[in-house]
Amino acid sequence: QVQLVESGGGVVRPGRSLRLSCTASGFNFNSFGMHWVRQAPGKGLEWVAVIWYDGSKKYYSDSVKGRFTISRDNSKNTLYLQMNSLRAEDTALYYCAKWFQYYDNAMGNWGQGTLVTVSS
Amino acid sequence: QSALTQPPSASGSPGQSVTLSCIGISSDVGGYNYVSWYQHHPGKAPKLIIYDVSKRPSGVPDRFSGSKSGNTASLTVSGLQAEDEADYYCTSNTGNNDFVVFGGGTKLTVL
Repeated sequence: QVQLVESGGGVVRPGRSLRLSCTASGFNFNSFGMHWVRQAPGKGLEWVAVIWYDGSKKYYSDSVKGRFTISRDNSKNTLYLQMNSLRAEDTALYYCAKWFQYYDNAMGNWGQGTLVTVSS
Repeated sequence: QSALTQPPSASGSPGQSVTLSCIGISSDVGGYNYVSWYQHHPGKAPKLIIYDVSKRPSGVPDRFSGSKSGNTASLTVSGLQAEDEADYYCTSNTGNNDFVVFGGGTKLTVL
């Protein structure tokens, strides 16, 4: 069955960097696009970034554009989110999500999330 | 402020039906048939329950149905059950700078 496991979260000071990973199993990782979605404490879900199955296209929310970079290593079945210049408002539970179908970018499967806390 | 507008709360009694709304604009909900709905129980991973406006993934009960009219999408939950109590989020693809936008979520309470 599809399994997505996020890692790399933690406590980091404002202005610093962090890299999140999402290890996938149970499906053909190199055939599906992937999303990052986050949820700040007490807030709703917020889309962060998307990457095509082959890494050829990437899109970001305005709130992270220029600071975050989504990437993937299909040989390792792993999705990444490089987060630079972190701000307090980036504090959230970060989820990775798999496209529902190879041609449909609905978020069909989700991981359990990894918590990022940006605090001095 | 979320790009899509959802009422913060809704409620219904067991067995009743409730409809949740998701209001967008012509460049998101109104312009694409790529509206999805997610059920989120706190502490758990969100779950896709409706995609492409009205399609249900395998395993999702037919008590859940989706529709769209103009810039407004709707999720109807029929025959409410206790386990339907959760947060519900809509999303849409968008032609604006963002690729996908979320609604602010609706907390559904089963009375």
